Amino acid sequence: DAGITQSPRHKVTETGTPVTLRCHQTENHRYMYWYRQDPGHGLRLIHYSYGVKDTDKGEVSDGYSVSRSKTEDFLLTLESATSSQTSVYFCAISGSSGSTDTQYFGPGTRLTVL
Amino acid sequence: QKEVEQDPGPLSVPEGAIVSLNCTYSNSAFQYFMWYRQYSRKGPELLMYTYSSGNKEDGRFTAQVDKSSKYISLFIRDSQPSDSATYLCAMSVNAGNMLTFGGGTRLMVKP
Repeated sequence: DAGITQSPRHKVTETGTPVTLRCHQTENHRYMYWYRQDPGHGLRLIHYSYGVKDTDKGEVSDGYSVSRSKTEDFLLTLESATSSQTSVYFCAISGSSGSTDTQYFGPGTRLTVL
Repeated sequence: QKEVEQDPGPLSVPEGAIVSLNCTYSNSAFQYFMWYRQYSRKGPELLMYTYSSGNKEDGRFTAQVDKSSKYISLFIRDSQPSDSATYLCAMSVNAGNMLTFGGGTRLMVKP
């Protein structure tokens, strides 16, 4: 998985609780992305980062926030989880230093919100 | 209407068959086209990456892009049971960023 790890790999939580998912890369890639994957919708971009402390919204950003304090780590936070956020979440990376390139994905985190 | 359309399948073929997977899109600004393979409960892995129109071949896999028709294809020759997976097309205006994905086609290759 191109030097990308995600934690936790599985999580069950209750509606209204905060949840943080972590993506860690060892490739020193500039760009990092968070997607969610749902049946019938494919992969949809939540947020992305183009450098430390530089982030922007994607297609489905409502209810999510992100932070990137180090090149290697990109955190996705659900401030108050809802059942509609039950999904599989994938982190992706792209862009070795000085260039952009296509995206490589992590193994995913399966989140269930009860 | 979605920006990228892909038949969800499932597509079931016998081992050894030639498989054709397709996507259509509506945004004429897309220039970079990718195919990802995703096994069950795994992350997508990059299979093919092409720029603009034309063909690209890698082993048993051939990617075709027809920008005039806004249509891309992935052909798999001599399909194997290990090819059974979901295939996702993706495309972008600029290299690497802001990918737009199709919903994926599930392929089953039967021995």
